[in-house]
Amino acid sequence: SQQGEEDPQALSIQEGENATMNCSYKTSINNLQWYRQNSGRGLVHLILIRSNEREKHSGRLRVTLDTSKKSSSLLITASRAADTASYFCATVIHAGKSTFGDGTTLTVKP
Amino acid sequence: EAGVVQSPRYKIIEKKQPVAFWCNPISGHNTLYWYLQNLGQGPELLIRYENEEAVDDSQLPKDRFSAERLKGVDSTLKIQPAELGDSAVYLCASSKRVSSYNEQFFGPGTRLTVL
Repeated sequence: SQQGEEDPQALSIQEGENATMNCSYKTSINNLQWYRQNSGRGLVHLILIRSNEREKHSGRLRVTLDTSKKSSSLLITASRAADTASYFCATVIHAGKSTFGDGTTLTVKP
Repeated sequence: EAGVVQSPRYKIIEKKQPVAFWCNPISGHNTLYWYLQNLGQGPELLIRYENEEAVDDSQLPKDRFSAERLKGVDSTLKIQPAELGDSAVYLCASSKRVSSYNEQFFGPGTRLTVL
């Protein structure tokens, strides 16, 4: 079974709105990473947050991590049609061991 | 810098036939991963190589799947014989070296359909 679970499974918003997706996991982690996958393509790394960090920003992306609740959230601000993709969290327990969730499918309508 | 290259991009075969996928990682990347991705799900690790050594193949169904990375560069994943349930996307990824903080770079995948 997957370590991380994303919520919601699917999200549809209008361009310009913010999109928030969540990831919950079960065991202690070293860090958590978010990836994006466009239809028919490979995954692209977005951002990494370490277990001792609570929040991290990269451009329009904001990631939070709550290790006490074993959860993380990814916020995309001012969404664009090009943000339409599936977003996956990957929990890293130790070097070389990443476990991916089943993803959130985001649709941004122009 | 070229990304991770995979071929073929698509493959359709009859069940019980063999099939092979090829991956060329980013130059200088020592770690290579093969993942299986079913529709609507996240990638699941099949095998991880550090240079030419398979260091994690616990999830590889060894009765029908095999992989090799002979010179520590490109890699081949083989299925023989293929079953209907093997229909999925097979993703290859690489990273510079084994580290908890290394991002993985993914290829576009090979979509396998077994009829």
